Amino acid sequence: DGGITQSPKYLFRKEGQNVTLSCEQNLNHDAMYWYRQDPGQGLRLIYYSQIVNDFQKGDIAEGYSVSREKKESFPLTVTSAQKNPTAFYLCASSSGNRGTEAFFGQGTRLTVV
Amino acid sequence: GESVGLHLPTLSVQEGDNSIINCAYSNSASDYFIWYKQESGKGPQFIIDIRSNMDKRQGQRVTVLLNKTVKHLSLQIAATQPGDSAVYFCADGPTGTYKYIFGTGTRLKVLA
Repeated sequence: DGGITQSPKYLFRKEGQNVTLSCEQNLNHDAMYWYRQDPGQGLRLIYYSQIVNDFQKGDIAEGYSVSREKKESFPLTVTSAQKNPTAFYLCASSSGNRGTEAFFGQGTRLTVV
Repeated sequence: GESVGLHLPTLSVQEGDNSIINCAYSNSASDYFIWYKQESGKGPQFIIDIRSNMDKRQGQRVTVLLNKTVKHLSLQIAATQPGDSAVYFCADGPTGTYKYIFGTGTRLKVLA
């Protein structure tokens, strides 16, 4: 089945640690995105990538890093510089063409312990 | 819509009634709009979309209305069911930079 897969579903991080969230898609999409969602709030864009080996900062990129070495993969690293990392993280992908929707993964809930 | 970190507004509807969820957008050049449904602990799912050359589009129990004059769109859900309880987001895009702009979302609660 075509889709977008995020792992793990739940992740616990100690303060001062870096953690990496995985996102894989088999939809042959060029564009991929990372969003952060806090309880009772909307989606905020962290990073996005239009094509392999290229990515741009979104609205809240500080404390996060990404890579796009393969078309199907767009991992997000939450670094120790992110002061409030506890949130629900959503990965999405799209063809990038005008008039097409984005497809979302099922999310990773990150908790700092 | 614009992505703003505000608390989600809530709409409570009696089971069997119709629901109307509203969304405003700011970019008059936007030409494609999407509605998503997000259940608790899950990723958003596509419900229906509409292009700017249309005023109305219908799906199964859902209708989206687009008013370009006032830059407003609405999602109507007919005969609301308990399974419709979720957060609903509108989005426009992608723009020339491949970005989607999401509204703040509305939490729909269906009362038995």
